Amino acid sequence: QVQLRESGPGLVKPSQTLSLTCTVSGGSISSDDYYWGWIRQSPGKGLEWIGYGYYGANTYYNPSLSSRVTLSMDTSKNQFSLTLTSVTAADTAVFYCVTKPNRIQYFDNWGQGTLVTVSS
Amino acid sequence: QSALTQPPSASGSPGQSVTISCTGTSSDVGGSDHVSWYQQHPGKAPKLMIYDVFKRPSGVPYRFSGSKSGNTASLTVSGLQAEDEADYYCSSYAGINNHVIFGGGTSLTVL
Repeated sequence: QVQLRESGPGLVKPSQTLSLTCTVSGGSISSDDYYWGWIRQSPGKGLEWIGYGYYGANTYYNPSLSSRVTLSMDTSKNQFSLTLTSVTAADTAVFYCVTKPNRIQYFDNWGQGTLVTVSS
Repeated sequence: QSALTQPPSASGSPGQSVTISCTGTSSDVGGSDHVSWYQQHPGKAPKLMIYDVFKRPSGVPYRFSGSKSGNTASLTVSGLQAEDEADYYCSSYAGINNHVIFGGGTSLTVL
């Protein structure tokens, strides 16, 4: 069973860049079993898909965030990362890293989530 | 892409059945076999309950069932139990670009 754990700063200033890392255990990000992605949830609000990627292949982003988002993978550390630029208070959310099995359309493994607050 | 439409709340007494709707368009729910439902308890990560409209992952009780008609998907919880009280989110694969959209969520209360 794949386990995921998010890490990164809990506070980011407006206009700066948010960077989070997801550490994977119980699986390899270079395998063809999964897409690796991110979902966020603003306080008291619903879920919002950010994007996901497959090692060595395309990455897919939410069109509403695509101009500010980058997903990347570090196979040496078995980690994948999220970068979100030019953040505002509206980007305050709990960020979850997730897995989507290859050729299957659902998210089966979720990290515990990490709260990132955008504030000066 | 607009979020899928869910009622903000639903409720039922223990033992009763409750159905939660999720309405989209022909570009997502109506045109996709890949509708899923997630359960989220307060302070916890969401948990997959239904995928591909009606399929249940291993370990999910038979009380949870899914269906779809046109642009609307539904989650039915039969024989409500106290532990079913949670937020429920629908999700749909949306088109040819591997995009995913979620519903706004429904808070289910067991009276």
